[in-house]
Amino acid sequence: NAGVTQTPKFQVLKTGQSMTLQCAQDMNHEYMSWYRQDPGMGLRLIHYSVGAGITDQGEVPNGYNVSRSTTEDFPLRLLSAAPSQTSVYFCASSYDFLYGYTFGSGTRLTVV
Amino acid sequence: QKEVEQDPGPLSVPEGAIVSLNCTYSNSAFQYFMWYRQYSRKGPELLMYTYSSGNKEDGRFTAQVDKSSKYISLFIRDSQPSDSATYLCATLTNAGKSTFGDGTTLTVKP
Repeated sequence: NAGVTQTPKFQVLKTGQSMTLQCAQDMNHEYMSWYRQDPGMGLRLIHYSVGAGITDQGEVPNGYNVSRSTTEDFPLRLLSAAPSQTSVYFCASSYDFLYGYTFGSGTRLTVV
Repeated sequence: QKEVEQDPGPLSVPEGAIVSLNCTYSNSAFQYFMWYRQYSRKGPELLMYTYSSGNKEDGRFTAQVDKSSKYISLFIRDSQPSDSATYLCATLTNAGKSTFGDGTTLTVKP
């Protein structure tokens, strides 16, 4: 049981490049979310999903796309990277959101 | 105005002290409340959750919610150096949408 697995752990992108941050969980959790964490700003919700085929926007969705074709995977796509997207990205999942989320170890992204 | 405001810290206490960490929230739609602990360069881990006003205890940790004043607290008794971390409060609506505070960094000195 690996929990929530995020890849890559580190990434450097040039402005304008696109990429996909991967997130997979093996706990059969329906609820999954993507957050970004910037210094002094806590965690901000980007997108979330309540099950396969269902996604919704969070607080800061601009510049990011998601899809949820399977229960296990919830990739986050950066369409055209900007320096403002330099951050630490966390994926989280939950069997029942009332009982909190299990977080991955994060992806540290730098856009130059 | 942010929907969840957390005392910014940082907080530094001697080992054995009682620690109080506090948040306020503004949205009455928030029904569920959680505290997460985050060690440096790691993902947050859930410490406690509650959905009602009152106290919930788990070992040295007590979570307190006052819905009438929209106030959330986490108390740590007999604090240990291993408690040194950033603590994040979080609120949740019935739809599963979560909002986090900015975190309070705690250092417990031996």
